[in-house]
Amino acid sequence: RKEVEQDPGPFNVPEGATVAFNCTYSNSASQSFFWYRQDCRKEPKLLMSVYSSGNEDGRFTAQLNRASQYISLLIRDSKLSDSATYLCVVNRGGGADGLTFGKGTHLIIQP
Amino acid sequence: SAVISQKPSRDICQRGTSLTIQCQVDSQVTMMFWYRQQPGQSLTLIATANQGSEATYESGFVIDKFPISRPNLTFSTLTVSNMSPEDSSIYLCSVGLGTGGLDEQFFGPGTRLTVL
Repeated sequence: RKEVEQDPGPFNVPEGATVAFNCTYSNSASQSFFWYRQDCRKEPKLLMSVYSSGNEDGRFTAQLNRASQYISLLIRDSKLSDSATYLCVVNRGGGADGLTFGKGTHLIIQP
Repeated sequence: SAVISQKPSRDICQRGTSLTIQCQVDSQVTMMFWYRQQPGQSLTLIATANQGSEATYESGFVIDKFPISRPNLTFSTLTVSNMSPEDSSIYLCSVGLGTGGLDEQFFGPGTRLTVL
């Protein structure tokens, strides 16, 4: 089983729609969870951290289910500028430094 | 966050040669990391660059191939030694700036390496 698993997409979504991505992780020792955004030929940028209670930042909502080892990201009222690859990221836990990245979900917002 | 720069931004190298990539941060940070992103793949951690001691390498990466320096809290280098075409990749440094127990990382712009 891959350490962090995501549907690679692409997700083709009309502008203004709501889209949701899911991610599962295998390392039960992971304690920190993130969504990063990566534009073509650019470095990943932190979109939001994911808290146990779930959290919202504008149009973006992240949820964590530790029991199922599952993380989600919801984007409401999608904009053309949301087109990017969204990376699900977890820390390695257990005292190990560094992050484990999923391969990403490619999102295309269509006008 | 922090302002992170990398040099060079890209390079094309001949097999058998070595390239040293520099990473500079605008503030002192404890944790610095080096990642690789091969074409069509996600990021893979190469090593943690520790200030004042040897880097900690991940499985599959060795010091002879990827020597790392961390002379102070704002700077690190990664050398890709004796390159082969399989080393063609984007190499990224990152810094850990976690707050509240989270270990958030912020990335430099990357170095795009092509080995012929």
